[in-house]
Amino acid sequence: DTEVTQTPKHLVMGMTNKKSLKCEQHMGHRAMYWYKQKAKKPPELMFVYSYEKLSINESVPSRFSPECPNSSLLNLHLHALQPEDSALYLCASSQVASLTGELFFGEGSRLTVL
Amino acid sequence: GQQLNQSPQSMFIQEGEDVSMNCTSSSIFNTWLWYKQDPGEGPVLLIALYKAGELTSNGRLTAQFGITRKDSFLNISASIPSDVGIYFCAGQAQTGANNLFFGTGTRLTVIP
Repeated sequence: DTEVTQTPKHLVMGMTNKKSLKCEQHMGHRAMYWYKQKAKKPPELMFVYSYEKLSINESVPSRFSPECPNSSLLNLHLHALQPEDSALYLCASSQVASLTGELFFGEGSRLTVL
Repeated sequence: GQQLNQSPQSMFIQEGEDVSMNCTSSSIFNTWLWYKQDPGEGPVLLIALYKAGELTSNGRLTAQFGITRKDSFLNISASIPSDVGIYFCAGQAQTGANNLFFGTGTRLTVIP
């Protein structure tokens, strides 16, 4: 079982809705990540938080808004999304300044935008 | 982002056969990792490599960090049905950079 928990597992939303994806880890990791994965494609990095501060934003549209309330939680707030934003959203965590580069992934939240 | 190309894109093999796949990059990486992803799940780490030339095994899996630091190989011996999935290589360009770039993936199908 993964030690990174994501909720909800599935989400369907309209283009005018506001929703949030949540991620939680209790491994003491101080780096957390959001990746977006389209079907049959590799995960693409969206955001990285280190010590609860945003350290990397890979030019993600502002309709995606990340939040890291504490060292165990990571949220992704969604607003005014487009159908092309439908994808599997993966949360991951690692040790900060990881010498190993090893990321631990959650099972993902599958988002469908109608 | 960095471009990592994996080959082959997909493979269909008989149970019991050995499998080889590779990953190449136009840039040098300090760390190479191999992940496996099952349908509807997140990627799971299989093997991590930290030094050029390093050869590491994990059960039936063996991976190598290329000497040029621009490639890596994964071999699976005596494949079994549960090996089915998508295998991704991933590279970290700078130690401690906290960003990992994924390859294009190799989809493996094992025929019982």
